[in-house]
Amino acid sequence: GEDVEQSLFLSVREGDSSVINCTYTDSSSTYLYWYKQEPGAGLQLLTYIFSNMDMKQDQRLTVLLNKKDKHLSLRIADTQTGDSAIYFCAERGTGRRALTFGSGTRLQVQP
Amino acid sequence: NAGVTQTPKFRILKIGQSMTLQCAQDMNHNYMYWYRQDPGMGLKLIYYSVGAGITDKGEVPNGYNVSRSTTEDFPLRLELAAPSQTSVYFCASRRGENEKLFFGSGTQLSVL
Repeated sequence: GEDVEQSLFLSVREGDSSVINCTYTDSSSTYLYWYKQEPGAGLQLLTYIFSNMDMKQDQRLTVLLNKKDKHLSLRIADTQTGDSAIYFCAERGTGRRALTFGSGTRLQVQP
Repeated sequence: NAGVTQTPKFRILKIGQSMTLQCAQDMNHNYMYWYRQDPGMGLKLIYYSVGAGITDKGEVPNGYNVSRSTTEDFPLRLELAAPSQTSVYFCASRRGENEKLFFGSGTQLSVL
């Protein structure tokens, strides 16, 4: 079946850039998403990218998609302590009605 | 708008007990989902529904049941709770296939 993998933990200093990586196996993935989960809360959609795009920028967030390698990344510029959270990569393939999620990357931002 | 509302927020069950996790959305969304999140793991799909009266199994449906008698509500039933069902349960909804997915704040369930 479909699989989405992420590294479990990333620590950065405040003001640095963070890059969170994700790989997926479904070659029919149409939409790829990044969700943020703060402690005790549900997931919130941060950004998404269509599979026919290579890059999407939204303020401090940059999403890069390498469809050939099935690799997705999220770059957060000027990382702040408020960015500390768990970040989930998710994908949805053609004809599928639910998203497949990765295990999440815990981002720790040190002052 | 309240969005997606889940109740209760926390619950402790004994092995073999039953309970229903409630989920309601007031956004007139057609699609609703139940996910579970185990520690250090991603979300696993339990059941989903594409509209009132229609439900389908997800990746990990065993031990659970759902119903969708109205557009607004999508309750998840645990009939005979087992320790393996200790998890955080998230309900989510969206209007259509290509629309944004909204999540509830979760129900933390412990089965002891």
